Amino acid sequence: EADIYQTPRYLVIGTGKKITLECSQTMGHDKMYWYQQDPGMELHLIHYSYGVNSTEKGDLSSESTVSRIRTEHFPLTLESARPSHTSQYLCASSEYYPDSTRTEAFFGQGTRLTVV
Amino acid sequence: KNQVEQSPQSLIILEGKNCTLQCNYTVSPFSNLRWYKQDTGRGPVSLTIMTFSENTKSNGRYTATLDADTKQSSLHITASQLSDSASYICVVSDRGSTLGRLYFGRGTQLTVWP
Repeated sequence: EADIYQTPRYLVIGTGKKITLECSQTMGHDKMYWYQQDPGMELHLIHYSYGVNSTEKGDLSSESTVSRIRTEHFPLTLESARPSHTSQYLCASSEYYPDSTRTEAFFGQGTRLTVV
Repeated sequence: KNQVEQSPQSLIILEGKNCTLQCNYTVSPFSNLRWYKQDTGRGPVSLTIMTFSENTKSNGRYTATLDADTKQSSLHITASQLSDSASYICVVSDRGSTLGRLYFGRGTQLTVWP
């Protein structure tokens, strides 16, 4: 089992609320990612980070924001949740190798978010 | 456009039987290909990773093959068990970026019946 944790596992929240999804890893990985996955669909990259104070947007446009103040912590925040944000959110981390052929990504167990 | 296509979309087999899942990709330049197993409600867990020069790799009852010329990979599961019921996702990484971009297939949903 990889040491990457997400909380909460499940969240049901009302429209307009601000939420923060937590992701922590104890492997000392520089790279961290947030993916969004709808049922039966592929994972879409929404945010990534190369290290502390580094954050970038991914392929899928998202109204969420992220921060990377510490290596081990990569929280995702939605300022005002909407039903369209209902989805599963997966956090991942990987080691950085200049030769990316050895890069392995480890995933957290995900947060299933439902906005009502 | 970089894409990863998996087939079949879903598969039902009886316990003890073998099965093969397919993955075709157009990702270029190619770096490596991984197969992940994702149980319902959980994050993906890596099964195998293969680079350009590797044709086959095994992990217990899982054997992955890669044909980099035709850009095809397969995952063969031998003597299936009920615990093999999951989504199997093919993930291809490109080369030439520090991120090592990951491109995900939609997965094959495997159900093993007793």
